[in-house]
Order: sequence, then structure tokens, then C-alpha cells
Amino acid sequence: GAVVSQHPSWVICKSGTSVKIECRSLDFQATTMFWYRQFPKQSLMLMATSNEGSKATYEQGVEKDKFLINHASLTLSTLTVTSAHPEDSSFYICSARGYRESPLSGANVLTFGAGSRLTVL
Amino acid sequence: RKEVEQDPGPFNVPEGATVAFNCTYSNSASQSFFWYRQDCRKEPKLLMSVYSSGNEDGRFTAQLNRASQYISLLIRDSKLSDSATYLCVVNGPNDYKLSFGAGTTVTVRA
Repeated sequence: GAVVSQHPSWVICKSGTSVKIECRSLDFQATTMFWYRQFPKQSLMLMATSNEGSKATYEQGVEKDKFLINHASLTLSTLTVTSAHPEDSSFYICSARGYRESPLSGANVLTFGAGSRLTVL
Repeated sequence: RKEVEQDPGPFNVPEGATVAFNCTYSNSASQSFFWYRQDCRKEPKLLMSVYSSGNEDGRFTAQLNRASQYISLLIRDSKLSDSATYLCVVNGPNDYKLSFGAGTTVTVRA
């Protein structure tokens, strides 16, 4: 099946530093990548949607200058949390939709990365 | 009103029991419905899609009630390994945007 590799799995950083999280589709072309954030005991909240080669579309309330998303290729998308603060500590998950030779079965089914747990001290 | 609402539980059931729970959605134009399973500190994984006619996959049965705008998940003969948080996922007219419920926690005890 489709695989999305996300790293780092865990990251601890000091307040004010920037953290980059990568998601790679290993065996398919990810035409659309979604970035979610999940706080403890809460649902996944969509932060932004990015299509390869286009600027990301951010959800209401998500600061695009703080959460920089790049989707420059069909196999790689990155999320950079700039000047991270303790309130940015969360579980960040990417998911992807895309193609091999044809649309992956179940056009609305997403393949998730394993998530990145960010702790900002 | 949240787009997708679930009873957070937890549902604590003995092995072998049947457990069922619902999820309501607010957008009547929603087209696709899913149940995902999420284990603690892990990514969600697709459990099953929910079809209009209802569908069954082994011990899991999903139903869709469009009139009342809810979907349900029933787990028969619960196993310890069924302990997890079950996320209700709905997508609306915009093909790609999914809305997640906060999850229903199920704990199966020996």
C-alpha cells in the first residue's frame, strides 16, 4: 500500500527556534498534502492543504508566516514551525493523496505519516 | 456547532462484548464517511469506509443514516486489541477536505 514517511518522530527544541518536519511519499506521487495538528484528547485539526507546485491554503486561524509549508515536488512536503513557542507543542501529522499509475483506490482515503511530536521548552 | 461530533466515551467493555457508538455530522451535503482507528500517540489508520447501504468487515459493522445525519460503528465480540480511539471522519462537497471527530475511546478489559 501507499506509504508516507514522516520525520522527525520526536523533536524537543528551545523556544524561539525553528523546526522543520518532512513528509515523503515513498511509492506514489503525492499531488495533495494535508497538514494536521492534534492536541491531547482532541481531534485532528487541519492546518493547511498544499498542492504540488502551488502555495498552501491555510485554514482560518492558522498563521501562514509561522507555519511555513513547502510542497515543491510530488514526493516531498515540509512544514516549518518558525520561532516555536511552548504553545506550539503538539502532535503534527501529514497525510497525502496521490497517484501511482492511476488514482489510488478510494480517492478520498488518506495515507498518514506517523506523526511528529513537538515539544517546545 | 462542530462539523463532526462524537461521544468521547470511554466505553469500557469486557472481552467478547458488543459495543456501539455514533457520530453526528452537520453538513447535509457530506459525501463520504469513514471510521479511522488511532492508537495512543500514533497516526490514524483507516478502519473502514461507510457506505450508504451499510457495510460489514468481520466483527465491525458501519451504518449511515443520512436522514438523521449520523454514522455508527458496532464492534462485536470485542478483543483486547480493539482498545483504541475511533475517529469519525466526514468529507463534504469539497472533495478533499476531511473533518475529524474528536474520537470515541474504547477500552476492552480481560
